[in-house]
Amino acid sequence: DAKTTQPTSMDCAEGRAANLPCNHSTISGNEYVYWYRQIHSQGPQYIIHGLKNNETNEMASLIITEDRKSSTLILPHATLRDTAVYYCIAARGSQGNLIFGKGTKLSVKP
Amino acid sequence: DGGITQSPKYLFRKEGQNVTLSCEQNLNHDAMYWYRQDPGQGLRLIYYSQIVNDFQKGDIAEGYSVSREKKESFPLTVTSAQKNPTAFYLCASSKNSIGRDYGYTFGSGTRLTVV
Repeated sequence: DAKTTQPTSMDCAEGRAANLPCNHSTISGNEYVYWYRQIHSQGPQYIIHGLKNNETNEMASLIITEDRKSSTLILPHATLRDTAVYYCIAARGSQGNLIFGKGTKLSVKP
Repeated sequence: DGGITQSPKYLFRKEGQNVTLSCEQNLNHDAMYWYRQDPGQGLRLIYYSQIVNDFQKGDIAEGYSVSREKKESFPLTVTSAQKNPTAFYLCASSKNSIGRDYGYTFGSGTRLTVV
């Protein structure tokens, strides 16, 4: 599975959009990009995933570059409850296990 | 509501003892996974199972054992051979599907402390 690179930490003002970047320059054609988040001392929560096209759901939007070497998770209106560690993972479909790195610690501030 | 349940939430073990962590899901998911998380670190895969009566070692299987006798259940035993078992243990499940993947659903975790 492709390795991903994320910033260690980011801050965001409450009510503003949080844009979390992820580099996955070695991603292969059959690997999806997944995003999860983990609030302190809880299990990770699935946010969104995509293959080529941009995706949006009730939690977030996922923007994948045309060459698929990077992506951005967008939380459109961050709240204090969005403070968490966000993991970006590149992995194959049902045959691939998800490898969680250290992620990005997002702090949403009032 | 469907979900995945881990118990207990906190567990204390004396050195030299085996201990079993429970993981049950009612999502009708095919695959189940066990991860370990140490403070400030990411998750590391211990074992996983794609179907009943079959399981595979992950990256850090030494000192651990699992069974998958029922689709709904995937218990993890931390044996005395695991030298540093104090950690946060997370169970997850997913529905295998050819052609489209689905995300993992995680339990709320078990925090194991050796005393």
